Amino acid sequence: DADVTQTPRNRITKTGKRIMLECSQTKGHDRMYWYRQDPGLGLRLIYYSFDVKDINKGEISDGYSVSRQAQAKFSLSLESAIPNQTALYFCATSDPDRGKQFFGPGTRLTVL
Amino acid sequence: GENVEQHPSTLSVQEGDSAVIKCTYSDSASNYFPWYKQELGKGPQLIIDIRSNVGEKKDQRIAVTLNKTAKHFSLHITETQPEDSAVYFCAASASLSGNQFYFGTGTSLTVIP
Repeated sequence: DADVTQTPRNRITKTGKRIMLECSQTKGHDRMYWYRQDPGLGLRLIYYSFDVKDINKGEISDGYSVSRQAQAKFSLSLESAIPNQTALYFCATSDPDRGKQFFGPGTRLTVL
Repeated sequence: GENVEQHPSTLSVQEGDSAVIKCTYSDSASNYFPWYKQELGKGPQLIIDIRSNVGEKKDQRIAVTLNKTAKHFSLHITETQPEDSAVYFCAASASLSGNQFYFGTGTSLTVIP
C-alpha cells in the first residue's frame, strides 16, 4: 500500500552492526506495528504502538527496539544484528474503529 | 495468547476450480478475522474480513465463513484464475486486547492455467 512506506527496501549488513529500519505512513492512523516474516512461520509481531507515547512489546521483541518519532513515523532498530535476524520486516498501520491493517512493502534484511 | 493454525501450507488447483483454506484459533475472545493476500515482493493486502457477529461474508469470488463454536474460519475462492496465485494469510484479533493480530503460517496457492 503506497500509504505506508518503508526504507530501505533491501539491506545487507554484518553481525554486530546497528541497523535502523524506518516506516512512514500517510493514512493518519495512530496505531503502528512492526512484524517479522520468516518462511513457514507467517508474520510475528515485534513491537506495536497505539500512539506517540505508547510502545508495547510483541511476541518476539528480544534484540529489537523501536522509536515512535511522530504519529506518522515508527522506526525499528537492531542494536547488534545477528544472522538469525535475517528476515523480511513489515510495518503496518491499523484503523482503530474498523480494525483493518495496512502493510508497507517490506524490508529484506540480511545479516552476514 | 492466541494461537492461529492454518491449513494447507500449499495448495494447487486448476483454473476455474475452487480453493478452500482453513484456519483455527484458540482464544474465544477473538472477534475479528481478516484474510490477507501476499504477492511476490509485496506486503500483505487485506482481501476480506469477518467479525464474530456474522457467519459468512462474500465479495465477488471470495467468501469467508466463521464457526465461533468450533473456533474455525475458512476462505473460499471460486472460479480461480492464475492471478489468484499468491500466499494467503489468516489472522485473528480480539478488540478487547487492543487490536493485536495473530497470524497463521500462510498458504501458498498456485492456480494452474
